Amino acid sequence: GQQVMQIPQYQHVQEGEDFTTYCNSSTTLSNIQWYKQRPGGHPVFLIQLVKSGEVKKQKRLTFQFGEAKKNSSLHITATQTTDVGTYFCASWAIKAAGNKLTFGGGTRVLVKP
Amino acid sequence: SQTIHQWPATLVQPVGSPLSLECTVEGTSNPNLYWYRQAAGRGLQLLFYSVGIGQISSEVPQNLSASRPQDRQFILSSKKLLLSDSGFYLCAWRGGEKLFFGSGTQLSVL
Repeated sequence: GQQVMQIPQYQHVQEGEDFTTYCNSSTTLSNIQWYKQRPGGHPVFLIQLVKSGEVKKQKRLTFQFGEAKKNSSLHITATQTTDVGTYFCASWAIKAAGNKLTFGGGTRVLVKP
Repeated sequence: SQTIHQWPATLVQPVGSPLSLECTVEGTSNPNLYWYRQAAGRGLQLLFYSVGIGQISSEVPQNLSASRPQDRQFILSSKKLLLSDSGFYLCAWRGGEKLFFGSGTQLSVL
């Protein structure tokens, strides 16, 4: 079935620095979503990308969907302690494969003040 | 507005005991509902999903089962818990293209 792989698994970032987390698939994705899970909390939807090469920004977060729709990235600039948490990419399966959202393994972000 | 309730928040159960986790959604009708499990420090594994009453799709063969007795109720069960069933269990409903998660149940099987 559909799988999305995320790298890195862990990201230690100095406060104020930038970092990027990546999401890759061996198959073409119809869409890609990103969720954030704070420590001890539940995942919360951040954004969805559906178009090839699409770029969306939310304040210090920039999301990109690859031209081939097989990869995506999340770039955070000027990291703050509020960015701590695990970031997941996810993708809805094609209709024939069922009504399910498959998540990547997540990137756990730790911020050093 | 729509809300999702999941309980209990934490649960400690002995090996071999039964399990019942309940999830209810308010403010929407005929939602698609999901159960995910998250092992400590790991990703989200889809266990079951349901598109309607009595309709359950199982993603991973295991020691768990799910039922949907009412439109807005989704139950995760086990007859005999294993140590490997420990984890963070999350219920979610689909609103448009997004999933909205409950606050989760931290299950420890000892």
